[in-house]
Amino acid sequence: AQTVTQSQPEMSVQEAETVTLSCTYDTSESDYYLFWYKQPPSRQMILVIRQEAYKQQNATENRFSVNFQKAAKSFSLKISDSQLGDAAMYFCAYRSAIGTASKLTFGTGTRLQVTL
Amino acid sequence: GAGVSQTPSNKVTEKGKYVELRCDPISGHTALYWYRQSLGQGPEFLIYFQGTGAADDSGLPNDRFFAVRPEGSVSTLKIQRTERGDSAVYLCASSSQTGSNEQFFGPGTRLTVL
Repeated sequence: AQTVTQSQPEMSVQEAETVTLSCTYDTSESDYYLFWYKQPPSRQMILVIRQEAYKQQNATENRFSVNFQKAAKSFSLKISDSQLGDAAMYFCAYRSAIGTASKLTFGTGTRLQVTL
Repeated sequence: GAGVSQTPSNKVTEKGKYVELRCDPISGHTALYWYRQSLGQGPEFLIYFQGTGAADDSGLPNDRFFAVRPEGSVSTLKIQRTERGDSAVYLCASSSQTGSNEQFFGPGTRLTVL
């Protein structure tokens, strides 16, 4: 079974600064997807960024980028130029690439605070 | 277009009662997922539908939990003889079979069992 570990329960960053959230995972599969989701107090999970394991290039989406280290099974999220609206819970998630649809396995989350 | 909707938004019930939670997926999405998120935890997979059939129900914790999707669209999660430990946010997600297969989540139903 796959597991996802987020070792930082809480992180804090000043507005306009950069913060990195950590995630490690364990799997015996060679092809899979990794995701970062944001969950604000409204509870709605919002996809921030995704990475296909077969791609060596790290994914980027505007101010969000990842550092994907397949051998180390590490998948960190970097948020640049942090904004007050980035404050939320962030979840790292894994999904197998076998089949066209399969479940997500989530970590326990990191609460990000953004201060002035 | 409309996203995934879930009703009710909040449900309070007494121990031992029966509850139903409803999920309306994005129109045309054939895959539908239920997850449970306990306080301070990440969502945990419960069950996944492909069309009308349950393709994977390995996450259902016991036989008090059951879900249906009779017409391949709306799904209902049913919990019998509720226990205090069932208190959680129940999230529903849907995805298409094309493109990125991204799962789009609803706002969840917060279930409180007194």
